[in-house]
Amino acid sequence: DAGVIQSPRHEVTEMGQEVTLRCKPISGHNSLFWYRQTMMRGLELLIYFNNNVPIDDSGMPEDRFSAKMPNASFSTLKIQPSEPRDSAVYFCASSARGGGGEQFFGPGTRLTVL
Amino acid sequence: GESVGLHLPTLSVQEGDNSIINCAYSNSASDYFIWYKQESGKGPQFIIDIRSNMDKRQGQRVTVLLNKTVKHLSLQIAATQPGDSAVYFCAEGGGSEKLVFGKGTKLTVNP
Repeated sequence: DAGVIQSPRHEVTEMGQEVTLRCKPISGHNSLFWYRQTMMRGLELLIYFNNNVPIDDSGMPEDRFSAKMPNASFSTLKIQPSEPRDSAVYFCASSARGGGGEQFFGPGTRLTVL
Repeated sequence: GESVGLHLPTLSVQEGDNSIINCAYSNSASDYFIWYKQESGKGPQFIIDIRSNMDKRQGQRVTVLLNKTVKHLSLQIAATQPGDSAVYFCAEGGGSEKLVFGKGTKLTVNP
């Protein structure tokens, strides 16, 4: 049974470039979450979706960040233009609504912006 | 003043000993709590959860204790093994799908 799938696993890019991170949630899960993890700030929620609709994007740092969920099996997090301070590990997680709150995390994408 | 980076609390134990990891949560309205384990290079993994109407819950080798009076949560790991070495996060939630994660505690198990 596949868990949450994220791609790419590692991304190295130069400042100013566009970065797109991808996530496939667990089939049947209604909620999808994007997190960022850094040594400085720990694990931060960026945005989450219920039934493909963005519910809370208050954690999105600025307009350079955007997220979409065009269907129940796919979501993207885009950074444009990227900056060195965006370097972090980005996690996607999904949960089943009414599932008691447990979120299942993907393996993460390690982003390095030079 | 603000720290330069996160200084994770650390706990070092001998293999076979019991471990206790503590967490102070912030929202008295939170009604469920989860412990996650994060190994190096991996995403957080669910360990055990507890609802606010309980004060103790046991799993396999793990026990979570909840003290709502002082907003304190603890994770006890019995007979700690080298494979338990990881960073452990508590998370609180309630009223929405969101979870708020704590800063984490790094557990090191010495053979």
